[in-house]
Amino acid sequence: QKEVEQNSGPLSVPEGAIASLNCTYSDRVSQSFFWYRQYSGKSPELIMSIYSNGDKEDGRFTAQLNKASQYVSLLIRDSQPSDSATYLCAVKIRGSGGYQKVTFGTGTKLQVIP
Amino acid sequence: DAGVIQSPRHEVTEMGQEVTLRCKPISGHDYLFWYRQTMMRGLELLIYFNNNVPIDDSGMPEDRFSAKMPNASFSTLKIQPSEPRDSAVYFCASSLLWGAPYNEQFFGPGTRLTVL
Repeated sequence: QKEVEQNSGPLSVPEGAIASLNCTYSDRVSQSFFWYRQYSGKSPELIMSIYSNGDKEDGRFTAQLNKASQYVSLLIRDSQPSDSATYLCAVKIRGSGGYQKVTFGTGTKLQVIP
Repeated sequence: DAGVIQSPRHEVTEMGQEVTLRCKPISGHDYLFWYRQTMMRGLELLIYFNNNVPIDDSGMPEDRFSAKMPNASFSTLKIQPSEPRDSAVYFCASSLLWGAPYNEQFFGPGTRLTVL
């Protein structure tokens, strides 16, 4: 089982709709969770982080975390064509020696259709 | 602020040649990370440094890969000899106080390496 799993997509949604991106992780001691957006040919950029169960909202973005189910999701409301990108889920855990390690999923490609 | 700087942005080389990738982290950041990204395997951590000291190099694929950080403002990733399967985008990232749960990594623009 992969440490961090995402559906590769593509996920296609019409402009103005809600896009729902999902991620599951295998390590129960995972501490922090991140969503990165990566445009084609560009580097990842952080859009949301969450480490408590529940929802965290920032503008059109909402991150949801359920540690019991080992599940984290990202909702994008009022999707825009400019949201079309690959979304990477990243999970941070404390490794041996107390140092933090982060593992990325392979990403979900989102296409917002005008 | 300049952000993380990587050079070169593109590198095309022939199998067997030595390749050196360079990174300048954000000033004041105490952690530096090297990642490799491919379509098949996604974004993989190769190695990371804290205060110029390598902390975890378990992601370095084999002895052909080596990384150094001689000072707080410069790091190199070297591949010798290079092979076609090393073709990928290599990202450098830096972070301040990475140990805190929320602290994020800032990525450089990447180096696209093609080994023929």
